[in-house]
Formats: sequence, C-alpha cells, structure tokens
Amino acid sequence: GQQLNQSPQSMFIQEGEDVSMNCTSSSIFNTWLWYKQDPGEGPVLLIALYKAGELTSNGRLTAQFGITRKDSFLNISASIPSDVGIYFCAGSRGFGNEKLTFGTGTRLTIIP
Amino acid sequence: GAVVSQHPSRVICKSGTSVKIECRSLDFQATTMFWYRQFPKQSLMLMATSNEGSKATYEQGVEKDKFLINHASLTLSTLTVTSAHPEDSSFYICSATRQGISTDTQYFGPGTRLTVL
Repeated sequence: GQQLNQSPQSMFIQEGEDVSMNCTSSSIFNTWLWYKQDPGEGPVLLIALYKAGELTSNGRLTAQFGITRKDSFLNISASIPSDVGIYFCAGSRGFGNEKLTFGTGTRLTIIP
Repeated sequence: GAVVSQHPSRVICKSGTSVKIECRSLDFQATTMFWYRQFPKQSLMLMATSNEGSKATYEQGVEKDKFLINHASLTLSTLTVTSAHPEDSSFYICSATRQGISTDTQYFGPGTRLTVL
C-alpha cells in the first residue's frame, strides 16, 4: 500500500534542542494528522490539521498543513526525554475518522 | 473518554493454528473500526475497514479468507488470523471512530503482538 515519505528517518538530538520533521505525498490529502508511538503501544494523536495552510500548536508541538495539501511539518521545541519515540504523519482524503495512510516514521532519540 | 482496548496484548501460537484478536471501544459506540498491521521498524499499514453489521472492506493484497473480521456490535470488532504462519507475526493495531461525529479522529488501541512459531 501507499506510504507517505517522512524525513528524517531518525534524529539524534540533545535535550533542549528543537526538532523539525516533515511528511510529503505525491497526492492531495484533506486532513493531516501527527501521531507519536512508544515501543509496544498504539499511536497517540498529537495534532490534527483540517485546512490547507493551517498552523496548529499543542504545547511545545507545532504542525502545519502545507498549502499544496501534499505535505505537512511538525516541530517540537525544547525537547525533553519523554519526547523520545517514533513520530508518524498520516493523511486522510476525508476527515480523520476515515481511512488513513501513514508516513514511514521518524525515530527521535535524545542523547544524554 | 474515547478509550479503545485490545485483547490479548500478546499471543504466541503454533504455525497452522488460528488466533482471534478483539478490539473494543470502552466508552463510546464505534461506527467504524480499522485494523492495521505493523512489522518491526515499519509503519502502520491498513488491512481492512470494518463497519458494524456489514462485511469488512479489505485493502489490496490482504487476504480476506485469511484475516477474518467480524464487527458484530458497535463496541466490538474481532480479527481472526486463520492458519497462522511465521510470516504473520506482527503487531496488530485497531482503531475506532465515534458514531455521529464526522470531524472526529480515530482512537487507537494498544496493539496485539502476535508471534507464530
């Protein structure tokens, strides 16, 4: 099945640093979502975006819905140890409660 | 609110046996439930979409006779992996959407780790 291209594939950063990751698609999506998955658990929704150009924040997280509707970005400011995990973008051609296509994931590791 | 549970959390079975995985919405009625499969170090891949009272819709490449899905009520969907083989070993995750809220998102279960020996 189709997957969205996510980059970078992995990141090694120090605590306190800012993080940026992005997700691109060859086709248009009407909803973009960002999830975090911890090992052995299901993904947890971080931010949902419903409108092209939309910029939404959730605490230290900020995500944007690209104006072309083919990409999205997630930024994490002032990273802390609990930010470690795998971040997935997901796109829906309808709303977020419809079929989702997931990105390839970005693994975030914080170096002590 | 909007909690989804899965049972069992992990299962080990012998090759050739069948395994049933349950997905329950604990505090809401789920119009639709989705089943995903995730291989190690990979992303989630949608297997099928399940609507209460109707047949599941399978994604291309997913064998419907091997992965039987039953969505008998608005709070329960089951995935049965029939005649499991080692290549079916994976992390199976379900998600559910709340009835009547079209702008809502999917709520994911904690996943079931299947190991086929």
